[in-house]
Amino acid sequence: DTGVSQNPRHKITKRGQNVTFRCDPISEHNRLYWYRQTLGQGPEFLTYFQNEAQLEKSRLLSDRFSAERPKGSFSTLEIQRTEQGDSAMYLCASSLGQPYNEQFFGPGTRLTVL
Amino acid sequence: AQKVTQAQTEISVVEKEDVTLDCVYETRDTTYYLFWYKQPPSGELVFLIRRNSFDEQNEISGRYSWNFQKSTSSFNFTITASQVVDSAVYFCALSEEGDSSYKLIFGSGTRLLVRP
Repeated sequence: DTGVSQNPRHKITKRGQNVTFRCDPISEHNRLYWYRQTLGQGPEFLTYFQNEAQLEKSRLLSDRFSAERPKGSFSTLEIQRTEQGDSAMYLCASSLGQPYNEQFFGPGTRLTVL
Repeated sequence: AQKVTQAQTEISVVEKEDVTLDCVYETRDTTYYLFWYKQPPSGELVFLIRRNSFDEQNEISGRYSWNFQKSTSSFNFTITASQVVDSAVYFCALSEEGDSSYKLIFGSGTRLLVRP
């Protein structure tokens, strides 16, 4: 029984570069969430997918951010023209069944923008 | 607006002491869900418990217990006879039935350090 996986685990990039992260949710989990966590803070919601449909985006998700979930399986989060303020841990979570069921989190991708 | 407050930034205890982590929430929804997650040094958030707003019964699971009080909008977490392995950051979170995504709104976390 595999959990949520995320790749890469760490990413160091220079300001202005584009980066893409991948999340593989638990098999058959229809809901997928992206959160961002900065040092000393709790995770903050970025976006939500139900199957392949992106149903909600946070105001934190500027137009430099885009997320996809083709075929309702894995998801990607791309950040274009990265800025130092994008440095954070990006967490993916998935859930199944009732919408209020617990979300299972992946290990996260730590992004450092130099 | 919905909000979760964990006023204790960091708590340090000696092993075998009992410790309570406080969580206060704000919501306008009458139906909502409260969660506790543990984030060990490895970084992965681990689900501990979910409580529905219409179920105020307290829960005990081994050394862990949770006290939910709607009257004070609190959902506190107690670890009895703490162990070094309990050292982690603990997050309280809220989701609301009125929010179709049921996204989690997290507090800022409480870092627990259990010293041997």
